[in-house]
Amino acid sequence: EPEVTQTPSHQVTQMGQEVILRCVPISNHLYFYWYRQILGQKVEFLVSFYNNEISEKSEIFDDQFSVERPDGSNFTLKIRSTKLEDSAMYFCASRGEAGYTEAFFGQGTRLTVV
Amino acid sequence: LAKTTQPISMDSYEGQEVNITCSHNNIATNDYITWYQQFPSQGPRFIIQGYKTKVTNEVASLFIPADRKSSTLSLPRVSLSDTAVYYCLVGALDTGRRALTFGSGTRLQVQP
Repeated sequence: EPEVTQTPSHQVTQMGQEVILRCVPISNHLYFYWYRQILGQKVEFLVSFYNNEISEKSEIFDDQFSVERPDGSNFTLKIRSTKLEDSAMYFCASRGEAGYTEAFFGQGTRLTVV
Repeated sequence: LAKTTQPISMDSYEGQEVNITCSHNNIATNDYITWYQQFPSQGPRFIIQGYKTKVTNEVASLFIPADRKSSTLSLPRVSLSDTAVYYCLVGALDTGRRALTFGSGTRLQVQP
């Protein structure tokens, strides 16, 4: 079964540092997403990406966040200056062509900001 | 976006059928209903999706009444491995640009 791959599985970083979370979506999928989940809370939408641009973003996705699809396979989430409250599981997801609505999620990256 | 309401938690025993109902009173004409499952420290996983009436796959059934203001996920003969959080999502039948919005979900605990 095709799968979305995320690396690293766990990252620890110091407050104020930049982090890049990486995702390899399912090949031939066109729509890409980042979500986050703070421990014990619900899954929160961050941003959606299509045709090399952001389609939709939540209020969480402020200027500290950016996304990129640099080489046609990887999809990255960058946090420029991490805060303690950025500690969470970050999930990447991808969906296929228009009308195909099942989203496939990766296993997540656990980000710990200390 | 249509708001969804689900029970916060449910308990069951192995071998029983579990029905989780989701209320979505403000569902729009072009909205579909999708259920996801999430185990601890894992990404959500698609279970089933439907627009109206009944949908069945190898894992679950989804019942949607004619007014579509609610839906029921039915898990036949649950096992311990079905212990997870189940999310009901309502989203538009459009392109993939629109993101799925997760609610608080239903935490299902299956006992031996």
